[in-house]
Amino acid sequence: NAGVTQTPKFQVLKTGQSMTLQCAQDMNHEYMSWYRQDPGMGLRLIHYSVGAGITDQGEVPNGYNVSRSTTEDFPLRLLSAAPSQTSVYFCASTREQGSQPQHFGDGTRLSIL
Amino acid sequence: GQQVMQIPQYQHVQEGEDFTTYCNSSTTLSNIQWYKQRPGGHPVFLIQLVKSGEVKKQKRLTFQFGEAKKNSSLHITATQTTDVGTYFCAGPVDGQNFVFGPGTRLSVLP
Repeated sequence: NAGVTQTPKFQVLKTGQSMTLQCAQDMNHEYMSWYRQDPGMGLRLIHYSVGAGITDQGEVPNGYNVSRSTTEDFPLRLLSAAPSQTSVYFCASTREQGSQPQHFGDGTRLSIL
Repeated sequence: GQQVMQIPQYQHVQEGEDFTTYCNSSTTLSNIQWYKQRPGGHPVFLIQLVKSGEVKKQKRLTFQFGEAKKNSSLHITATQTTDVGTYFCAGPVDGQNFVFGPGTRLSVLP
């Protein structure tokens, strides 16, 4: 069982570039989410999805898009990268929103120059 | 503003000393979860507390949920170097999505 798989693990972008962070889970979890982690601020929710075809905004959604065409995949798109988006990004999944443990991927360390 | 707070932000202890981190929510929580993140790693689920006043133990770790279900604590007895990392609490502040505290970073000096 792979759990939650994120790619790439590291990425360096120039300001204005776009890219997609990939996330896949093999646990048949309906609920998936994206967080960013910055020093001293814990994990902040960017976007989440309660099932295929359904997405919603979290605490810090600006500059990011998501889609959920299948239960397994939940990619995060940076539309036009900015230095403020330099962060570590974690994808997570859980069986039930708000009441079950979340399973995290290994993270993507993203630097915007 | 921050809806889930944790103190302290950092804690340095000598191996064998005890350690406690405290978590406070601005709202009553239906449950609270604790996660551990090793340096360079990802958060790993430790435990979930649901009942008012609940106390759960995992070997040297003791977790407590307050009577009002707005605060929680994690206590580690006789710390070891393997306990190094950042400990996060998280609660479904809006009833749905978990909000994470800023974490307490623990370093253990051998």
